[in-house]
Amino acid sequence: DQQVKQNSPSLSVQEGRISILNCDYTNSMFDYFLWYKKYPAEGPTFLISISSIKDKNEDGRFTVFLNKSAKHLSLHIVPSQPGDSAVYFCAGNNDYKLSFGAGTTVTVRA
Amino acid sequence: NAGVTQTPKFRVLKTGQSMTLLCAQDMNHEYMYWYRQDPGMGLRLIHYSVGEGTTAKGEVPDGYNVSRLKKQNFLLGLESAAPSQTSVYFCASRRGTGYNEQFFGPGTRLTVL
Repeated sequence: DQQVKQNSPSLSVQEGRISILNCDYTNSMFDYFLWYKKYPAEGPTFLISISSIKDKNEDGRFTVFLNKSAKHLSLHIVPSQPGDSAVYFCAGNNDYKLSFGAGTTVTVRA
Repeated sequence: NAGVTQTPKFRVLKTGQSMTLLCAQDMNHEYMYWYRQDPGMGLRLIHYSVGEGTTAKGEVPDGYNVSRLKKQNFLLGLESAAPSQTSVYFCASRRGTGYNEQFFGPGTRLTVL
């Protein structure tokens, strides 16, 4: 049973515009949520996280929003840059284990 | 400081063969993990370890075994490889309790014919 779902497999956005990636979860025991970025033939790298007791966390061009009542979080990238083209994974943390979504492939068009 | 390294990077096996994947980390992290990534399914946890000498099953442990004899190393074994184990395998480590970020290795692409 998939506890974290990313329902959009892909997203195409123009350079300079906002990218919005969505993630839904079912496990109420998640205490942290993390976003990872992955380039082809590389391992995932950590991007940003948010505690379950917060509703927003910002780091430069990246902002994550958490709506706990809706069990929904989103990642905003503003402005989008060509180097942002990658696969983005949403993950929920429970104890010391992460549960990952299937990922969203972002393509930034020039 | 190499972070998390994985050996080998690529491997092709025949059905029924065995092999061991090696993960090493030089960050003195307590926790280590093995994941597999398949198209459309994200990363799924195979086994994990919360300290030297300990291991536990994850979401998809069948067909795999692990060992953590030294804190810096986490080995993943396939005793009798099957085509369903064709995947990309990632190792990760985490500092310990109170730290949520996992650091990933570059991956091992395994094909079982």
